[in-house]
Amino acid sequence: DTGVSQDPRHKITKRGQNVTFRCDPISEHNRLYWYRQTLGQGPEFLTYFQNEAQLEKSRLLSDRFSAERPKGSFSTLEIQRTEQGDSAMYLCASSSPLRGTEAFFGQGTRLTVV
Amino acid sequence: DQQVKQNSPSLSVQEGRISILNCDYTNSMFDYFLWYKKYPAEGPTFLISISSIKDKNEDGRFTVFLNKSAKHLSLHIVPSQPGDSAVYFCAASAGYSGAGSYQLTFGKGTKLSVIP
Repeated sequence: DTGVSQDPRHKITKRGQNVTFRCDPISEHNRLYWYRQTLGQGPEFLTYFQNEAQLEKSRLLSDRFSAERPKGSFSTLEIQRTEQGDSAMYLCASSSPLRGTEAFFGQGTRLTVV
Repeated sequence: DQQVKQNSPSLSVQEGRISILNCDYTNSMFDYFLWYKKYPAEGPTFLISISSIKDKNEDGRFTVFLNKSAKHLSLHIVPSQPGDSAVYFCAASAGYSGAGSYQLTFGKGTKLSVIP
């Protein structure tokens, strides 16, 4: 399977703990995106990388959130001091250099903060 | 301020008939539009897209129509099949020309139920 891969699929954590999610994009895709989706809403943009450079960050991405893509391949999204409001589906997507506007999504990581 | 709106939360259609899902947008900078299909507990699956230089794009049973003057697009599914039952999201980007952002702005989705 050469689609976008996310790990873990599910994460339950206690409030105040740190969590880290990983995304492996489609191999030839140079752009990688993180989105967050809550119940009844469409996905909301968090941040975007082109190769290893983080080019855009949403206002939704508070200081407790940090994303990296160190070698322009996989990416990690870390949430520090989790809050109950962070409970959501975190989606990673990637797109190719030729069709940059068509993003392909992974299965997502469901985060539950208790 | 919702820049992409899907005003119908749900739609029920008989198998074999046409499904029409609608989407409106407000941002004139959007130049590329996409439809995604989503099953519960899975990520969105890309279905079909259209750039602002076209008014129609067809792929098998799926056709997307774009009316730029009305800032409106629609997805037609003909014929509808029970396997099409899912939540459909409309999304827009300002990145097609290369001058704007590649980020996607999504609507809230329309839940389509195809009744056998």
